[in-house]
Amino acid sequence: EIVLTQSPGTLSLSPGERATLSCRASQSVSNTYLGWYQQIPGQAPRLLIYGASSRATGIPDRFSGSGSGTDFTLTISRLEPEDFAVYYCQQYGSSPRTFGQGTKVEIK
Amino acid sequence: QVQLVQSGAEVKKPGASVKVSCKASGYIFTNHAIHWVRQAPGQRLEWMGYINTGIGNTEYSQKFQGRVTITSDTSASTAYMELSSLSFEDTALYYCARDWSHWNDYWGQGTLVTVSS
Repeated sequence: EIVLTQSPGTLSLSPGERATLSCRASQSVSNTYLGWYQQIPGQAPRLLIYGASSRATGIPDRFSGSGSGTDFTLTISRLEPEDFAVYYCQQYGSSPRTFGQGTKVEIK
Repeated sequence: QVQLVQSGAEVKKPGASVKVSCKASGYIFTNHAIHWVRQAPGQRLEWMGYINTGIGNTEYSQKFQGRVTITSDTSASTAYMELSSLSFEDTALYYCARDWSHWNDYWGQGTLVTVSS
């Protein structure tokens, strides 16, 4: 199975700062099959980005995704208070679908 | 509005089975597959399998093959996930999620399954 490794484990930033989250795959993943979810504690995950760089419905444009092959990035251009959460990357190109272990974005 | 409402928390003994339901509303049930994803305490999200609610076929993660059964009742717009031979490691929050172009755009609220002797 494809293992997704996210870094860093925790990102401590202030509102207004830029957040850069990384997701590395153990083997190449087509852009089509890589996405990102946000999970606020106590809530279900929410789809943010699909196809590596397309924003899901209702997702603000401060969220952007990029990358290819084995290296993908989620960028939050200016952190808002509601963005402090855990972020997971996911791939579905190879079964089973797998998730990264998550990056927690916390308030500094 | 689209909603997925799951059944309530369960406490089971090792070796038992659990069946969790997921009732969909706000869309045509047979137009979207339903996936099941679990999250054990402090662990990453883990995909278990899905059902094509239109034709009833399923796909399961190899990890759960033989222990998990996903079904659906189209007349009730409800999907079910049954996990057998429970062990302590199966203690987790279990989510159902709607499929949208292979992604999961709506999720249930989660069902906590606790395995305890």
